[in-house]
Amino acid sequence: SAVISQKPSRDICQRGTSLTIQCQVDSQVTMMFWYRQQPGQSLTLIATANQGSEATYESGFVIDKFPISRPNLTFSTLTVSNMSPEDSSIYLCSTLDGNSNQPQHFGDGTRLSIL
Amino acid sequence: GESVGLHLPTLSVQEGDNSIINCAYSNSASDYFIWYKQESGKGPQFIIDIRSNMDKRQGQRVTVLLNKTVKHLSLQIAATQPGDSAVYFCAETHTGTASKLTFGTGTRLQVTL
Repeated sequence: SAVISQKPSRDICQRGTSLTIQCQVDSQVTMMFWYRQQPGQSLTLIATANQGSEATYESGFVIDKFPISRPNLTFSTLTVSNMSPEDSSIYLCSTLDGNSNQPQHFGDGTRLSIL
Repeated sequence: GESVGLHLPTLSVQEGDNSIINCAYSNSASDYFIWYKQESGKGPQFIIDIRSNMDKRQGQRVTVLLNKTVKHLSLQIAATQPGDSAVYFCAETHTGTASKLTFGTGTRLQVTL
């Protein structure tokens, strides 16, 4: 399976600021996803990062708050904009090779705390 | 909306015993199910998956059982080890591939010595 690296692994930010999280994969993958995992909870899909076009957002998530880029088949970024304490979560990147019957594979996440 | 949930938030088992983690799902169209293990400070790690045309699938020390009649999924871990301590999530999709996963709430497995 692909090796997925996320940067930063953790950060502490001030409210009102924005942070961009990077997800780098060691091989080309068809699909990339961004999830949020609030403390002690399960994973919620934020959006599907589409290569060369706008991301597809799930209900409750909007582009102005979570802009996403995917310039190629191995890289994506998620920005958390105008952060508030409620945005304190783990943000996870995952990948899926659409050409095979494989499950999604995840990076180790970015642990974000907002003061 | 559709949901996937777990019966037990925390499961404590003794080392060497078998563990059973349960998951209920509500979407009768779900056709692909995955179990993930998440250790502290890590992302979810794939354990085993099963498609709706199967009732049982075995891996190394793990077995997944699928009961479509009652929309229930279970993960059995044989001879549980301290390294099995983690949070376990079930996930499901109805797209045929893993492109649109809905995750359950998670069960924390604690292995006691």
